[in-house]
Amino acid sequence: DADVTQTPRNRITKTGKRIMLECSQTKGHDRMYWYRQDPGLGLRLIYYSFDVKDINKGEISDGYSVSRQAQAKFSLSLESAIPNQTALYFCATSDTYREMNTGELFFGEGSRLTVL
Amino acid sequence: AQSVAQPEDQVNVAEGNPLTVKCTYSVSGNPYLFWYVQYPNRGLQFLLKYITGDNLVKGSYGFEAEFNKSQTSFHLKKPSALVSDSALYFCAVRAPGQRDSSYKLIFGSGTRLLVRP
Repeated sequence: DADVTQTPRNRITKTGKRIMLECSQTKGHDRMYWYRQDPGLGLRLIYYSFDVKDINKGEISDGYSVSRQAQAKFSLSLESAIPNQTALYFCATSDTYREMNTGELFFGEGSRLTVL
Repeated sequence: AQSVAQPEDQVNVAEGNPLTVKCTYSVSGNPYLFWYVQYPNRGLQFLLKYITGDNLVKGSYGFEAEFNKSQTSFHLKKPSALVSDSALYFCAVRAPGQRDSSYKLIFGSGTRLLVRP
């Protein structure tokens, strides 16, 4: 089983619909991230969380919200999806010690979202 | 502001030949630099990092990267490419977060490596 699991892996929806992407991890890490990948733009940080009560905006948080329901779960919501939110979304995790000393992140396999 | 640039969208190389994937960075202070690889339909995987020490860093799958402070570069290299190395490669730099103890990774736009048989 994957250490970082994202659901759904693929989703097609319509403009204006509410969408939630979920991420769960079994690595015991305290830090979790949501990135968006677009061709030619690389990965851009949407939101990140250092623990259940610590959530921070990234570079492109407008139009998104998150919830850290538990240390192992971090959900990304699009309250009213629009076509330019069509992208591949990645969840990632790290632990405080590892990130402070190496910067290594562990990624899920991605959730491909298409907004029509 | 911290940033990282990958000037090539795609690199093509024949199997058995050496490969280089370029990365340049802009940081304030000492740079923490990384390479990640993304295989088709998969998430990113950590390849290697530079924090301090030797300018030549060795990583997974036979890859290495050379840190050059004067040229602000961190190019990824491999002496002999394999077809299975074909993937999307991302350079990243660690940037300060909103608190002194927090950091986040800023990624480049990615370079697609195509190794032909």
